[in-house]
Amino acid sequence: AQTVTQSQPEMSVQEAETVTLSCTYDTSENNYYLFWYKQPPSRQMILVIRQEAYKQQNATENRFSVNFQKAAKSFSLKISDSQLGDTAMYFCATYNNNDMRFGAGTRLTVKP
Amino acid sequence: EAQVTQNPRYLITVTGKKLTVTCSQNMNHEYMSWYRQDPGLGLRQIYYSMNVEVTDKGDVPEGYKVSRKEKRNFPLILESPSPNQTSLYFCASSLRPSEKLFFGSGTQLSVL
Repeated sequence: AQTVTQSQPEMSVQEAETVTLSCTYDTSENNYYLFWYKQPPSRQMILVIRQEAYKQQNATENRFSVNFQKAAKSFSLKISDSQLGDTAMYFCATYNNNDMRFGAGTRLTVKP
Repeated sequence: EAQVTQNPRYLITVTGKKLTVTCSQNMNHEYMSWYRQDPGLGLRQIYYSMNVEVTDKGDVPEGYKVSRKEKRNFPLILESPSPNQTSLYFCASSLRPSEKLFFGSGTQLSVL
């Protein structure tokens, strides 16, 4: 079974600065999918970014980008120009072969 | 509006009293799934469904039942709830499990 590890339970960043959230995973598959989901205090789960493992190019969505290191099984999320609305729990997730796994989450606080 | 509707939002019940959490999506998605979220554990998949009448166990299926009689609905049934099923539950749907998941607004369940 896959495992997803988020080693930073909590992080904080000053508004307008950059922060990187870590995620490592373990899978024996070659083709899989990676995600970052955001859960603000409203508890609604929202997709931030998605990466297909067979694509070498790192995915980006506006201020959000990933550093995908397939050999190292690492999938970190970089948030640039942090905003107060980025305050949330962030979950890393993987999917392959009918197996969807989430990490334990990182609670990010953006400070004014 | 494309959405996943999950009800109720909050539920308090007693041990052994059968309950159902409803989930409905209006996007004609093939894939639907249920998760429970617990502090320090992230989200764990309970059951998933690839299509009508096709359901499979996820990571933590014990004590839960599901059915998929119609494409749009995927209820979660707790036949005899126990206190260890106190958790935040999410329903989600997508075209395929490798694609973006659309989540319901969550059900906070307390079993006394």
